[in-house]
Formats: sequence, C-alpha cells, structure tokens
Amino acid sequence: DTEVTQTPKHLVMGMTNKKSLKCEQHMGHRAMYWYKQKAKKPPELMFVYSYEKLSINESVPSRFSPECPNSSLLNLHLHALQPEDSALYLCASSQSRAETGANVLTFGAGSRLTVL
Amino acid sequence: AQTVTQSQPEMSVQEAETVTLSCTYDTSESDYYLFWYKQPPSRQMILVIRQEAYKQQNATENRFSVNFQKAAKSFSLKISDSQLGDAAMYFCAYRSLYRDDKIIFGKGTRLHILP
Repeated sequence: DTEVTQTPKHLVMGMTNKKSLKCEQHMGHRAMYWYKQKAKKPPELMFVYSYEKLSINESVPSRFSPECPNSSLLNLHLHALQPEDSALYLCASSQSRAETGANVLTFGAGSRLTVL
Repeated sequence: AQTVTQSQPEMSVQEAETVTLSCTYDTSESDYYLFWYKQPPSRQMILVIRQEAYKQQNATENRFSVNFQKAAKSFSLKISDSQLGDAAMYFCAYRSLYRDDKIIFGKGTRLHILP
C-alpha cells in the first residue's frame, strides 16, 4: 500500500460546527504532516508529527487541533472556524530522519473545506 | 532561511514538444534535497523527480529530467515529448538534510499543454 487516504474529500461546515479531517497511511511512515493550501498557492505547513509526537506547530490558531492516535492515523479537529479557513487541507507522510529515504513526502488527495 | 523561487507563473507548450520550468533557491547549507512535485486538477501532489545535492549527476525519470547547477543554485525541470496528462501545477521544493521536517515550496508554475 503506497497511498495516503484522506476523508472526507469535501466538507462544508458552519462557523459553530465541530468536525474532523482524517488521514491514514499504511506505509510504515513515522512522520505525518498537515498542510493548508489556498487556490493557486503552494502548500503551507501546519503541523508535523514524528513518532506520534507533535514536533512542529507553525503557529496555527487553536481552532485547529491535531491528533495522532497511532502511527497510521492523523486527525485534524476543527472548531469555530472562520470563512478564511476555507482551503484544501493536505495530509502527507514520510519516513523519519532516522531512516533512509527520509526525504520524500507522499501526499493524500486532500480534503476541500468550505466554511460558511 | 532558505527560499525557493519559480519565476514563471504560467507556461504553455505544444503537445510532443519539450518545455523547461525554472527554479532557483537560496541556502547556506551544502547538503540538501531538491524536488519537483506535480499537482494536477485532481489536486493530489505527486513527486516527479528528486535530486540529492551531493550527487553531481542530474536526475532523470523517463521523460522528466533536471538540470542541477549547484553553484548557481538552479534546479530546472525539462519535460520531453509533452503529453496532455502533464498539464498541472508544478512546484519546486527544497528540503534540508539536517532539518528534514520542513519542505519549502516555490510558488508554482502552471503548465498548459496545447493539443
């Protein structure tokens, strides 16, 4: 299995809703990432988990809450979002620095989020 | 801090022709990785090609090849025999050998393939 699977593909939510984005990989990768991508822009790093521990938080607002329940799963919990948070959210995984080949990101297809 | 610059927001090429996408970067590190990622309208980011900075030989993957000029900090992508399926946004990216949690993307070049 060489895929990163993201669900849902599309999500529409109100500013008072609570929702979650999910990401799953079975490649044995120990590093997982959340990126935010606005239209016609490059992906912006939000969070990095390494060996299920949060290693990077790029000053993301607390209305985004990441969670890594195990080495295969990564969640992004969403609460009280703003319309400007509407974007494509990409999950990625890679081997960790301690392993060989620790430099290639494998991306999921993304979750398109619309906040009304 | 490292930066990646793609100076061509959009490019067009006739089907079956060759096109070169430009990328320059700035770093004080001597060892690093460079990538080209492709993002078609289906939106999934796909690795096209990878180059390790310590390797002098330019990477090649089928119709895709790079021209890596380390001294000039240049990393261009050449697509030969362009196909309709090559239409996508192409991102050049940099990753440190020492701090590999972050990958730095350029702003992207949208490539159109003309039939």
